[in-house]
Amino acid sequence: QSALTQPASVSGSPGQSITISCTGTSSDVGGYNYVSWYQHHPGKVPKLIIYDVSNRPSGLSNRFSGSKSGNTASLTISGLQAEDEATYYCSSSTSTNTPGLFGTGTTVTVL
Amino acid sequence: EVQLVESGGGLVQPGGSLRLSCAASGFIVSSNSMSWVRQAPGTGLEWVSVIYSGGSTYYSDSVKGRFTISRDTSKNTLYLQLNSLRVEDTAVYFCARSVPGSYYFDYWGQGTLVTVSS
Repeated sequence: QSALTQPASVSGSPGQSITISCTGTSSDVGGYNYVSWYQHHPGKVPKLIIYDVSNRPSGLSNRFSGSKSGNTASLTISGLQAEDEATYYCSSSTSTNTPGLFGTGTTVTVL
Repeated sequence: EVQLVESGGGLVQPGGSLRLSCAASGFIVSSNSMSWVRQAPGTGLEWVSVIYSGGSTYYSDSVKGRFTISRDTSKNTLYLQLNSLRVEDTAVYFCARSVPGSYYFDYWGQGTLVTVSS
């Protein structure tokens, strides 16, 4: 199965909002409400920031929000901060009962 | 506190084998779904394998038939046996937990590097 499609890079100024898209098919993103998002700083452990399309783990900043429409999921980061610079990956369950079809990853740059 | 600690990575020749371990604390491995996820140099995350709490196992097409996921309940440890290794298997391998019934990874280990090279 091919990786989910994300833009390679997205940038924004501090305080702005950015949105990262994650496009799949009806066999993954579009077929299930099991989309999750991860923040990955180089050399660090990936961190769960959104699960089941739009839920945030306990204690995570409400600047991160998720949504889905059809075969495309989206992550919005509002009030962009320097610490948000990282690579972001979406992930979806699939029709083959496997948990983690990842996206291609999006590098976020804070200008 | 939930912790996952991988070990077993290293340098191996093409065609060789390696066994990765993921020692868990703060929760019971066999009561959760456990996956291996890898990241090759300069690339993104790739899901490799999962073992569900009931014992069912699944693999990505790229490793099916070569890798085997297992767990030891007495040691609360997850394993990944890597056989017939290829240069393209070079990556940092992470173990990750998913709570039962979920498809997201809420805890990750720090990763162990596997380098396949002659």
